[in-house]
Amino acid sequence: DAGITQSPRYKITETGRQVTLMCHQTWSHSYMFWYRQDLGHGLRLIYYSAAADITDKGEVPDGYVVSRSKTENFPLTLESATRSQTSVYFCASSASGLAKNIQYFGAGTRLSVL
Amino acid sequence: AQKITQTQPGMFVQEKEAVTLDCTYDTSDPSYGLFWYKQPSSGEMIFLIYQGSYDQQNATEGRYSLNFQKARKSANLVISASQLGDSAMYFCAMREGLNQGAQKLVFGQGTRLTINP
Repeated sequence: DAGITQSPRYKITETGRQVTLMCHQTWSHSYMFWYRQDLGHGLRLIYYSAAADITDKGEVPDGYVVSRSKTENFPLTLESATRSQTSVYFCASSASGLAKNIQYFGAGTRLSVL
Repeated sequence: AQKITQTQPGMFVQEKEAVTLDCTYDTSDPSYGLFWYKQPSSGEMIFLIYQGSYDQQNATEGRYSLNFQKARKSANLVISASQLGDSAMYFCAMREGLNQGAQKLVFGQGTRLTINP
């Protein structure tokens, strides 16, 4: 039961570089989400996806790009990383159709932009 | 305006005591759900308990219960007989628009709970 996995777990990059964070889930959940966690802000939604090829912006989408060509994968790309994007990134997934849909989270990726 | 407010940045409790973590929310949607997650020092987010706006009874899951006061827009988490392993960050979250199938969660800033032996 692999669940939801994120890779890499830790990443250091430099300002201006492109970085892709990977997220893979084995539950065939319809919905997938990307959050960032910063001190004093809790978790904030970056992008989410309701199904393959359907994505939408969350609260803080600027500077990020997502795609979802397959149901199980939801990569997050920082096209030109900035220091303000230093954060812990969480991927989550949930099934659809129920009010009590629980979002299950990956272990997170700690990203440092130097 | 903050949708979810957790007013206690940190709490310290003696082992075996009960603890209440506060959460107030703001919504005009009659159909919403409230969630609590635990984040231990290892970093993962663990779902604890859910309360729907139309649920007649307060939710309970083992040692966790949710004190849901709809008129006051509060959804406090109660942990009974606290244990050292309960030391963690706790997040309250809300999903609005359940009737429309909405799935987005909005999180509070969290409360760091420390259980002292």
